[in-house]
Amino acid sequence: DFQMTQSPRSLSASVGDRVIITCRTSQRIGNYLNWYQQKSGKAPKLLIYATSHLPTGVPSRFSGGGSGTDFTLTINGLQPDDFATYYCQQSYTAPTWTFGQGTKVELK
Amino acid sequence: EIQLVESGGRLVQPGGSLRLSCAVSGFSFSNYGMGWVRQAPGKGLEWVANINQDGSDKDYVDSVKGRFAISRDNAKNSLYLQLNSLRAEDTAFYYCARRHQWMGPHFDNWGQGTLVTVSS
Repeated sequence: DFQMTQSPRSLSASVGDRVIITCRTSQRIGNYLNWYQQKSGKAPKLLIYATSHLPTGVPSRFSGGGSGTDFTLTINGLQPDDFATYYCQQSYTAPTWTFGQGTKVELK
Repeated sequence: EIQLVESGGRLVQPGGSLRLSCAVSGFSFSNYGMGWVRQAPGKGLEWVANINQDGSDKDYVDSVKGRFAISRDNAKNSLYLQLNSLRAEDTAFYYCARRHQWMGPHFDNWGQGTLVTVSS
């Protein structure tokens, strides 16, 4: 049975910090790993697709990496607008898709 | 501007039915697969269903198979989710999303969500 584990589940950080969130899968998924940002009371927003690609308009302080079963979302220089919950999502095991449990980034 | 607007969420009793709609604009609807994702209050995201461009291919998370049905009307630029035999655990915000295939499938545009509450 396919499993996704996102960590940490929450973290406290300050403006300007570097934040790293990890997503681990129970089987290799190529680069079929996406990241979404969700602010409180709002719909999710695509942040990174295919492991490391940023959609138009996403700030370059966001980056994604990894391969196989281990993936990361990095925020370099956390900004006030970045306090939100972040979810990884895989589409390798199509037709079924899976989201990670989410990581809440809070102000320290 | 791409817009996805869900509607149809409301309070419904256990065992009841509901149809959610998602009206889209700003892109060629018939060229894209679509999906539904839900989020129970205070919980994480859960993929619910996907449909391909012409509606011939549909997929569901195991927990809703046989109870929910995804469909679309390309002439009306609309996506639907029929919810039957509703349970308390189906209570959630339901989001429709556009599925993009470039470099691997992902949801690149989302609606604002509609709340379904299943309670007696």
